[in-house]
Amino acid sequence: GAVVSQHPSWVICKSGTSVKIECRSLDFQATTMFWYRQFPKQSLMLMATSNEGSKATYEQGVEKDKFLINHASLTLSTLTVTSAHPEDSSFYICSAIDRVVASTDTQYFGPGTRLTVL
Amino acid sequence: RKEVEQDPGPFNVPEGATVAFNCTYSNSASQSFFWYRQDCRKEPKLLMSVYSSGNEDGRFTAQLNRASQYISLLIRDSKLSDSATYLCVVNPPRSARQLTFGSGTQLTVLP
Repeated sequence: GAVVSQHPSWVICKSGTSVKIECRSLDFQATTMFWYRQFPKQSLMLMATSNEGSKATYEQGVEKDKFLINHASLTLSTLTVTSAHPEDSSFYICSAIDRVVASTDTQYFGPGTRLTVL
Repeated sequence: RKEVEQDPGPFNVPEGATVAFNCTYSNSASQSFFWYRQDCRKEPKLLMSVYSSGNEDGRFTAQLNRASQYISLLIRDSKLSDSATYLCVVNPPRSARQLTFGSGTQLTVLP
């Protein structure tokens, strides 16, 4: 089956630093990837839609200058949390849609990255 | 009003019990519906899609009522391994593939 990986799986950083999270589709090409954030005991909230070769589309309330998204290839999207603060501590999950079966609603989720900002 | 609303639970049921989860969605033009399960500190995993005619997958039965904007999930003969958070997920009309997640219903199956 389709596999999506994320790296790192967890990261602890100091306030004010930037953190890059990678999302890779391992055995398929993904024209579209999504970035979600999940706070404890809350649901996944869509942050942005990442399309290969074009700018990401951000959801209302998500600062594009703080959460930089790059989707430079069909198998990799990165999310950079710039100048991270404790309130950015969360579980970040990406998902990807297979380019070949893009007509379906199936999204393949990565295992998530747990970010803790001290 | 939230786009997708679920009873957060928790539901604590004994092994072998039948348990039902409900979900309502606000946008009548929503296109696709799913149930996902999420284990603690893990990513969500697709459990099943939900169709208007209702569908069954082993011990799991999903129902969709478009008129009432209501989705349900029935789990029969609960197993310990069914313990998880169950997420009601809707594909809103504004985008072909974006998903809107409910806050989830927590289930614990007790021995």
